[in-house]
Amino acid sequence: QVQLQESGPGLVKPSQTLSLTCTVSGGSISGGTFYWSWIRQPAGKGLEWIGRVFTSGSTNYNPSLKSRVTISVDTSKNQFSLNLRSVTAADTAVYYCARTNYDVLTPFSSIWGQGTHVTVSS
Amino acid sequence: QSVLTQPPSVSGAPGQRVTISCTGSSSNIGAGYDVHWYQQFPGTAPKLLVYGNSHRPSGVPERFSGSKSGTSASLAITGLRAEDEADYYCQSYDSTLSGSEVFGGGTRLTVL
Repeated sequence: QVQLQESGPGLVKPSQTLSLTCTVSGGSISGGTFYWSWIRQPAGKGLEWIGRVFTSGSTNYNPSLKSRVTISVDTSKNQFSLNLRSVTAADTAVYYCARTNYDVLTPFSSIWGQGTHVTVSS
Repeated sequence: QSVLTQPPSVSGAPGQRVTISCTGSSSNIGAGYDVHWYQQFPGTAPKLLVYGNSHRPSGVPERFSGSKSGTSASLAITGLRAEDEADYYCQSYDSTLSGSEVFGGGTRLTVL
């Protein structure tokens, strides 16, 4: 079955760029009617949608983060990535990647990675 | 401040029925978009519990059911069990936020 795994630094300095990669295994990232999402969760708080990427490369972002976010996909590596620029302590969170079904009225994420904790601190 | 509003906490005794509400607006739930529910245990990733307002993925017990009416949705859990103690999140889509997926703030279910 399809599995997702996040990877990347667990510690990022303020003002720098947070970079994470999600590797898809057990299936092709290009198969089916899915797009690929990033979602984050600060400690003790709720879920926040960051953005999505289609395998075509098309993207959509949360308006509150749009100026700092880039999500990209590498179908040859079966991976997609998140770059969040100019981070502050408020970006400290667990970051999840997810596979989202979009051939429905309202997309939903049926498969999630285990999450990776990123701390922003000097 | 979440776009979708959930009660911070609910509780119930084993065997009882509890409901968790999710209130939106005319730009999300009220616009006709579906509501999905996720269950999250501490330290783990969310798991899809209900999709399309009332559909359960394979493996989710019938004790979990969802409904939607107007600008709100609800998740009902019957025959409450100790292992149901977790955080529950609703999710929909908002047409005013550039195609954003939106979540509720989450509800902590405590089994007494």
